[in-house]
Amino acid sequence: TQLLEQSPQFLSIQEGENLTVYCNSSSVFSSLQWYRQEPGEGPVLLVTVVTGGEVKKLKRLTFQFGDARKDSSLHITAAQPGDTGLYLCAGYTGRRALTFGSGTRLQVQP
Amino acid sequence: SQTIHQWPATLVQPVGSPLSLECTVEGTSNPNLYWYRQAAGRGLQLLFYSIGIDQISSEVPQNLSASRPQDRQFILSSKKLLLSDSGFYLCAWSVHLGNNQPQHFGDGTRLSIL
Repeated sequence: TQLLEQSPQFLSIQEGENLTVYCNSSSVFSSLQWYRQEPGEGPVLLVTVVTGGEVKKLKRLTFQFGDARKDSSLHITAAQPGDTGLYLCAGYTGRRALTFGSGTRLQVQP
Repeated sequence: SQTIHQWPATLVQPVGSPLSLECTVEGTSNPNLYWYRQAAGRGLQLLFYSIGIDQISSEVPQNLSASRPQDRQFILSSKKLLLSDSGFYLCAWSVHLGNNQPQHFGDGTRLSIL
């Protein structure tokens, strides 16, 4: 059983479209992180959200942490081909190791 | 600045052969260290993590083992590889103190078992 479920698993859209990726759990997390991974490379941190209800913006990316700290979403406005990659959410449940979600593969067609 | 190095980048090994993947971190002291395995296009499965020299926590039962002989060196090993050990192996580090720290990943090792 996956502690963190991401949806959708795969998303193919045209350049300029908007999209939202979801990360859900039945467990409470002290924080949630979002990473992006390119093929053949390690994940790179995009953002950390800590407070329930917190919203963070990174240019065209908007991250939200659920009020109960059990879920998070990533919204991309006007997607570009450079946004293509695997998006991973990951959370700390209190121990020192992250639990990663199942991943969302995004492909943005020019 | 801190850097993390993993090698080799790719490895092809026969079933039953031994394995040794190495990861080193530079520019920081007493980091937390992690080994993950990733199936193609999927999330990361935590294999081992370490909060200090010779302090290893294993997350899943398997024929892999990890060692940390020095503060900034983390080694993933196996005595006899299985076909199911194929995958993308990632090493990561984080700051030791404090909560909710980000993890910094190496570029991974693509392991293929024949």
